[in-house]
Amino acid sequence: QITLKESGPTLVKPTQTLTLTCTFSGFSLITTGVGVGWIRQPPGKALECLALIYWDETRRYSPSLRSRLTITKDTSKNQVLLTMTNMDPMDTATYYCAHVPSRGHYTSYYFDFWGQGTLVTVSS
Amino acid sequence: QSALTQPASVSGSPGQSITISCSGTSSDVGNFDVVSWYQQHPGKAPKLIIYDVSYRPSGVSNRFSGSKSGNTASLTISGLQAEDEADYYCCSYTKSSTKVFGGGTKVTVL
Repeated sequence: QITLKESGPTLVKPTQTLTLTCTFSGFSLITTGVGVGWIRQPPGKALECLALIYWDETRRYSPSLRSRLTITKDTSKNQVLLTMTNMDPMDTATYYCAHVPSRGHYTSYYFDFWGQGTLVTVSS
Repeated sequence: QSALTQPASVSGSPGQSITISCSGTSSDVGNFDVVSWYQQHPGKAPKLIIYDVSYRPSGVSNRFSGSKSGNTASLTISGLQAEDEADYYCCSYTKSSTKVFGGGTKVTVL
């Protein structure tokens, strides 16, 4: 059974750096084809894919946020971390992490299991 | 990259069928057969209901179906039920090797 859970600060000040942790179970990020992504959703707005990391260390970032994002994994702890610098009130959102399944030797292109999300508010 | 274009809202009566469109470009929807759809109830995490354009995950009702023509993907909900009232998002892989979501569609069951 695959589960994911996001954790991190609920409130950050403008210009600060946000670090979120996704702790997962039921799969391994060393399995060929598997990935984990971070997706956010501002209140009342649409989903936005921020970053993904795959079993082979490949990283993908949203082009518009690339300069502010870093995604890393700790396979020994079954965790994926997302760092976002220079936080702004516009970054207030619920942040989700989600599992990307393997299709054998290759990865898939969808998120089949999601965490419950964590609301991050950016305010002074 | 711009978000995929979805209608803001779609409504239908119980038992009816509705279709939600998802328009992209040749850099995303039109170039890859990997569109996915997600259902999101208020206050809940998104749930995968369609992947790779037209495949349903185990446990998802066969009232949900997906298709694609050119740069536009579609999600059809047949036999509309009260529990289908939710927000729906499409998502596609892009030539930039990233993923882009649609703006979301609110489905209302009249």
